[in-house]
Amino acid sequence: EAGVTQSPTHLIKTRGQQVTLRCSPISGHTSVYWYQQALGLGLQFLLWYDEGEERNRGNFPPRFSGRQFPNYSSELNVNALELEDSALYLCASSLWVETQSTDTQYFGPGTRLTVL
Amino acid sequence: AQTVTQSQPEMSVQEAETVTLSCTYDTSESDYYLFWYKQPPSRQMILVIRQEAYKQQNATENRFSVNFQKAAKSFSLKISDSQLGDAAMYFCAFNTGTASKLTFGTGTRLQVTL
Repeated sequence: EAGVTQSPTHLIKTRGQQVTLRCSPISGHTSVYWYQQALGLGLQFLLWYDEGEERNRGNFPPRFSGRQFPNYSSELNVNALELEDSALYLCASSLWVETQSTDTQYFGPGTRLTVL
Repeated sequence: AQTVTQSQPEMSVQEAETVTLSCTYDTSESDYYLFWYKQPPSRQMILVIRQEAYKQQNATENRFSVNFQKAAKSFSLKISDSQLGDAAMYFCAFNTGTASKLTFGTGTRLQVTL
């Protein structure tokens, strides 16, 4: 069974540009999560999508946005890039069921974004 | 606020020995899951083990086991018969059903020596 996949692997952008990161969840998973892992800041929750809807959002500015497609894949968009956006962006997927207490998230290999 | 604290930034263990990584957490929720993830130099986050808070029995996965003390809000990871491939950053995390997002600790870097 294929795991979570992310593209691209690496990305170099300049300040002010826009970037789109992509994630494909494990087959059968309906939830996608985005996390930012920046040096010195640890892993920070960005966004959670389930069944095409944004369910929760971390403490990030509106220039971080995303969407989930009918096939449950997801995009993370970052507008007006700043130097501090340089980080590893991790996507995770799970099968989230509202009647359960929670779920287990499985991660992709990440996209390394460098902003110059 | 929900927080996870890993007080050991770095640990070292000899091959074949046992090591325990510490984790404490704070939440007002009564129903939650706890996780240990491993992040090797490849940066892929790999699930090591998980524990349901409502279960008293400690979870085990081969050489990995946890010591879950709910009242103390403690969730330590024990690695037995350590192998060179265990060298990685280990993150403790938990989530609750209400928000589902994972809250991570700052990580413990584990070195395995010959």
